[in-house]
Amino acid sequence: DTAVSQTPKYLVTQMGNDKSIKCEQNLGHDTMYWYKQDSKKFLKIMFSYNNKELIINETVPNRFSPKSPDKAHLNLHINSLELGDSAVYFCASRPSGGDQETQYFGPGTRLLVL
Amino acid sequence: SQQGEEDPQALSIQEGENATMNCSYKTSINNLQWYRQNSGRGLVHLILIRSNEREKHSGRLRVTLDTSKKSSSLLITASRAADTASYFCAISRGGNNRLAFGKGNQVVVIP
Repeated sequence: DTAVSQTPKYLVTQMGNDKSIKCEQNLGHDTMYWYKQDSKKFLKIMFSYNNKELIINETVPNRFSPKSPDKAHLNLHINSLELGDSAVYFCASRPSGGDQETQYFGPGTRLLVL
Repeated sequence: SQQGEEDPQALSIQEGENATMNCSYKTSINNLQWYRQNSGRGLVHLILIRSNEREKHSGRLRVTLDTSKKSSSLLITASRAADTASYFCAISRGGNNRLAFGKGNQVVVIP
């Protein structure tokens, strides 16, 4: 009964490949996020979706394309992977409305590009 | 965008001691949140303090917020080995609830 789950947990791939990371939340939340955490543990928001609509799109290369088939899922597809994409990617979710401002994080996907 | 900045970056203490971390920011905020990240895991929300609050408690955690100085502190009392983790502050400026995270404090509690 994991609240926010991500697959895969680890991803090792060659430069130039295309890969996807999946995220699912069973909390009934309306808003979902993708964050990137670099080797120095700096955490930066990449995208946010609310009810399947994109609401935050930081300055992220357009090789990264999020997709939200429904409000419980937010996937991240990365084209033409580069060495600098190596990081831990976290999905998070948050309920909408009122004072609901806590974000719930998934366990992370550790991406290593060789 | 403005981010929370924690200070100090790394802290090593004996079990039973208190651990204090500070966070500073540069803009007005709606709230400030603290999260914990255990090694190899995702972030876990600890506590949220709103801009009109000055102090908040949750178990062994005490958070203060000084909006005039744009700073917050997180105190963990009577630390345990299980408190070993990285601690992040994050500021929310409202709107679409984008959180801006600081760099994190590594806390090591020695049994």
